[in-house]
Amino acid sequence: KAGVTQTPRYLIKTRGQQVTLSCSPISGHRSVSWYQQTPGQGLQFLFEYFSETQRNKGNFPGRFSGRQFSNSRSEMNVSTLELGDSALYLCASSLGIAATDTQYFGPGTRLTVL
Amino acid sequence: AQSVTQPDIHITVSEGASLELRCNYSYGATPYLFWYVQSPGQGLQLLLKYFSGDTLVQGIKGFEAEFKRSQSSFNLRKPSVHWSDAAEYFCAVGVGDDKIIFGKGTRLHILP
Repeated sequence: KAGVTQTPRYLIKTRGQQVTLSCSPISGHRSVSWYQQTPGQGLQFLFEYFSETQRNKGNFPGRFSGRQFSNSRSEMNVSTLELGDSALYLCASSLGIAATDTQYFGPGTRLTVL
Repeated sequence: AQSVTQPDIHITVSEGASLELRCNYSYGATPYLFWYVQSPGQGLQLLLKYFSGDTLVQGIKGFEAEFKRSQSSFNLRKPSVHWSDAAEYFCAVGVGDDKIIFGKGTRLHILP
Protein backbone atom coordinates (compact mmCIF):
# COMPACT_ATOMS: atom_id res chain seq x y z
CA LYS A 1 0.00 0.00 0.00
CA ALA A 2 1.24 3.46 -0.79
CA GLY A 3 1.94 5.66 2.19
CA VAL A 4 0.70 9.14 2.95
CA THR A 5 1.83 11.60 0.32
CA GLN A 6 2.08 15.35 0.67
CA THR A 7 2.56 17.90 -2.04
CA PRO A 8 4.49 20.02 -2.51
CA ARG A 9 7.45 18.98 -0.37
CA TYR A 10 8.94 22.45 -0.27
CA LEU A 11 7.36 25.84 -0.69
CA ILE A 12 8.63 29.40 -0.46
CA LYS A 13 6.13 32.23 -0.14
CA THR A 14 6.19 35.87 0.89
CA ARG A 15 4.24 37.55 3.63
CA GLY A 16 0.61 38.25 2.77
CA GLN A 17 0.33 35.46 0.22
CA GLN A 18 -1.79 32.41 0.66
CA VAL A 19 -0.85 28.76 0.26
CA THR A 20 -2.60 25.44 -0.23
CA LEU A 21 -1.06 22.17 0.86
CA SER A 22 -2.31 18.78 -0.23
CA CYS A 23 -2.40 15.41 1.49
CA SER A 24 -3.35 12.03 0.06
CA PRO A 25 -4.02 9.48 2.80
CA ILE A 26 -3.47 5.76 2.71
CA SER A 27 -6.19 4.06 0.73
CA GLY A 28 -9.16 3.24 2.96
CA HIS A 29 -8.22 5.68 5.69
CA ARG A 30 -11.03 8.06 6.59
CA SER A 31 -9.28 10.36 9.04
CA VAL A 32 -6.77 13.01 8.06
CA SER A 33 -5.06 15.22 10.62
CA TRP A 34 -2.77 18.19 10.11
CA TYR A 35 0.05 19.32 12.38
CA GLN A 36 2.44 22.25 12.41
CA GLN A 37 5.96 21.47 13.59
CA THR A 38 8.45 24.16 14.58
CA PRO A 39 11.64 24.01 16.66
CA GLY A 40 10.17 26.25 19.34
CA GLN A 41 6.64 24.93 19.67
CA GLY A 42 7.11 21.31 18.71
CA LEU A 43 4.22 19.43 17.14
CA GLN A 44 0.97 21.33 17.29
CA PHE A 45 -2.37 19.96 16.20
CA LEU A 46 -4.17 21.98 13.55
CA PHE A 47 -7.29 20.00 12.72
CA GLU A 48 -8.70 16.58 12.01
CA TYR A 49 -11.15 15.59 9.30
CA PHE A 50 -13.14 12.38 9.28
CA SER A 51 -15.42 11.48 6.40
CA GLU A 52 -15.35 15.06 5.10
CA THR A 53 -16.29 16.58 8.48
CA GLN A 54 -13.98 18.56 10.70
CA ARG A 55 -13.90 16.69 14.03
CA ASN A 56 -11.47 18.83 15.93
CA LYS A 57 -9.58 22.04 15.57
CA GLY A 58 -6.49 23.19 17.38
CA ASN A 59 -5.76 26.63 18.72
CA PHE A 60 -4.85 28.37 15.49
CA PRO A 61 -6.26 31.55 13.94
CA GLY A 62 -8.94 31.44 11.29
CA ARG A 63 -6.29 32.02 8.62
CA PHE A 64 -5.72 28.28 8.84
CA SER A 65 -8.44 26.23 7.23
CA GLY A 66 -8.86 22.85 5.66
CA ARG A 67 -11.19 20.51 3.95
CA GLN A 68 -11.52 16.87 3.05
CA PHE A 69 -12.90 15.49 -0.16
CA SER A 70 -15.06 12.43 -0.72
CA ASN A 71 -11.99 10.37 -1.63
CA SER A 72 -10.46 11.35 1.77
CA ARG A 73 -7.81 13.54 0.21
CA SER A 74 -7.35 16.71 2.21
CA GLU A 75 -6.13 20.22 1.63
CA MET A 76 -4.96 22.80 4.08
CA ASN A 77 -5.01 26.51 3.32
CA VAL A 78 -3.21 29.33 5.04
CA SER A 79 -4.18 32.85 4.04
CA THR A 80 -2.31 36.10 4.65
CA LEU A 81 0.92 34.35 5.47
CA GLU A 82 3.08 35.61 8.32
CA LEU A 83 6.76 34.97 8.99
CA GLY A 84 5.77 32.81 11.96
CA ASP A 85 3.94 30.41 9.68
CA SER A 86 7.28 29.05 8.48
CA ALA A 87 7.20 25.44 9.60
CA LEU A 88 7.02 21.80 8.61
CA TYR A 89 3.39 20.87 8.02
CA LEU A 90 2.66 17.23 8.59
CA CYS A 91 -0.36 15.29 7.50
CA ALA A 92 -1.36 11.98 9.05
CA SER A 93 -4.05 9.49 8.16
CA SER A 94 -5.71 6.75 10.16
CA LEU A 95 -8.50 4.24 9.71
CA GLY A 96 -10.38 5.55 12.72
CA ILE A 97 -10.13 8.79 14.61
CA ALA A 98 -6.68 10.05 15.54
CA ALA A 99 -7.23 9.88 19.32
CA THR A 100 -7.66 6.12 19.31
CA ASP A 101 -5.97 4.82 16.20
CA THR A 102 -2.49 4.58 14.76
CA GLN A 103 -1.64 7.55 12.60
CA TYR A 104 0.54 7.23 9.53
CA PHE A 105 2.45 10.38 8.77
CA GLY A 106 3.55 11.82 5.48
CA PRO A 107 7.02 13.33 5.00
CA GLY A 108 5.68 16.86 5.40
CA THR A 109 5.66 20.10 3.46
CA ARG A 110 8.38 22.56 4.43
CA LEU A 111 6.92 26.06 4.15
CA THR A 112 9.21 29.06 4.26
CA VAL A 113 7.68 32.52 4.47
CA LEU A 114 9.95 35.41 3.51
CA ALA B 1 -6.54 20.59 31.31
CA GLN B 2 -5.11 17.58 29.56
CA SER B 3 -1.39 17.71 28.88
CA VAL B 4 1.62 15.60 27.99
CA THR B 5 5.07 16.28 29.42
CA GLN B 6 8.34 14.97 28.15
CA PRO B 7 10.75 16.40 30.71
CA ASP B 8 13.93 15.77 28.75
CA ILE B 9 14.45 17.87 25.64
CA HIS B 10 17.75 16.18 24.81
CA ILE B 11 19.24 12.89 25.97
CA THR B 12 22.66 11.53 25.08
CA VAL B 13 23.59 7.90 25.58
CA SER B 14 26.45 5.73 24.40
CA GLU B 15 25.84 3.08 21.80
CA GLY B 16 25.01 -0.19 23.53
CA ALA B 17 23.77 1.50 26.69
CA SER B 18 20.22 1.26 27.94
CA LEU B 19 17.68 4.02 27.34
CA GLU B 20 14.63 5.35 29.12
CA LEU B 21 12.60 8.29 27.80
CA ARG B 22 10.07 9.76 30.16
CA CYS B 23 6.49 10.72 29.47
CA ASN B 24 3.90 11.97 31.93
CA TYR B 25 0.33 12.93 31.17
CA SER B 26 -2.51 14.70 32.85
CA TYR B 27 -5.94 13.17 32.21
CA GLY B 28 -8.67 11.92 34.48
CA ALA B 29 -9.32 8.59 32.82
CA THR B 30 -7.13 5.97 31.18
CA PRO B 31 -5.96 7.45 27.91
CA TYR B 32 -4.79 5.90 24.71
CA LEU B 33 -0.99 6.14 24.74
CA PHE B 34 1.42 6.27 21.85
CA TRP B 35 5.12 6.66 21.18
CA TYR B 36 6.21 7.93 17.78
CA VAL B 37 9.71 8.41 16.38
CA GLN B 38 10.82 10.97 13.82
CA SER B 39 14.08 10.52 11.96
CA PRO B 40 15.69 13.59 10.41
CA GLY B 41 13.78 14.88 7.40
CA GLN B 42 10.98 12.38 7.78
CA GLY B 43 7.49 12.12 9.17
CA LEU B 44 6.61 10.32 12.38
CA GLN B 45 6.40 6.55 12.71
CA LEU B 46 4.53 4.65 15.39
CA LEU B 47 6.79 2.68 17.76
CA LEU B 48 4.11 1.27 20.03
CA LYS B 49 0.74 2.00 21.60
CA TYR B 50 -1.25 1.10 24.69
CA PHE B 51 -5.02 0.91 24.86
CA SER B 52 -5.74 -1.63 27.59
CA GLY B 53 -4.57 -4.93 29.04
CA ASP B 54 -0.96 -5.73 29.80
CA THR B 55 0.74 -2.56 30.95
CA LEU B 56 4.07 -3.55 29.38
CA VAL B 57 3.88 -3.01 25.65
CA GLN B 58 6.32 -4.26 23.06
CA GLY B 59 6.97 -2.23 19.95
CA ILE B 60 9.09 -2.20 16.87
CA LYS B 61 12.88 -1.84 16.77
CA GLY B 62 13.27 -3.45 20.20
CA PHE B 63 11.44 -0.72 22.13
CA GLU B 64 9.03 -1.28 24.97
CA ALA B 65 6.98 0.99 27.21
CA GLU B 66 5.28 0.55 30.53
CA PHE B 67 2.04 2.22 31.54
CA LYS B 68 1.96 3.13 35.23
CA ARG B 69 -1.44 4.43 36.17
CA SER B 70 -0.39 5.54 39.65
CA GLN B 71 2.34 7.73 38.21
CA SER B 72 0.46 8.82 35.06
CA SER B 73 3.49 7.76 33.10
CA PHE B 74 4.27 5.88 29.95
CA ASN B 75 8.06 5.66 29.73
CA LEU B 76 9.82 4.26 26.70
CA ARG B 77 12.75 1.87 27.15
CA LYS B 78 15.31 0.02 25.12
CA PRO B 79 17.93 -2.27 26.64
CA SER B 80 20.69 -1.48 24.15
CA VAL B 81 20.62 1.47 21.75
CA HIS B 82 22.05 1.47 18.26
CA TRP B 83 23.43 4.49 16.37
CA SER B 84 20.38 4.30 14.11
CA ASP B 85 18.13 5.09 17.08
CA ALA B 86 19.26 8.71 17.00
CA ALA B 87 16.04 10.59 16.32
CA GLU B 88 13.31 12.60 18.02
CA TYR B 89 10.77 10.72 20.08
CA PHE B 90 7.24 11.90 20.76
CA CYS B 91 4.84 10.67 23.37
CA ALA B 92 1.16 11.20 22.53
CA VAL B 93 -2.04 10.80 24.49
CA GLY B 94 -5.50 10.26 23.08
CA VAL B 95 -8.02 11.74 25.44
CA GLY B 96 -11.34 9.95 25.29
CA ASP B 97 -12.93 10.04 21.90
CA ASP B 98 -11.88 13.58 21.40
CA LYS B 99 -8.36 14.54 20.50
CA ILE B 100 -4.73 13.53 20.59
CA ILE B 101 -2.07 15.57 22.35
CA PHE B 102 1.62 15.29 21.58
CA GLY B 103 4.49 16.03 23.91
CA LYS B 104 7.20 18.41 22.78
CA GLY B 105 9.56 15.57 22.01
CA THR B 106 12.90 14.26 23.25
CA ARG B 107 15.85 14.32 20.91
CA LEU B 108 18.10 11.31 21.36
CA HIS B 109 21.80 11.56 20.59
CA ILE B 110 24.01 8.47 20.42
CA LEU B 111 27.71 8.53 21.25
CA PRO B 112 29.86 6.02 19.36
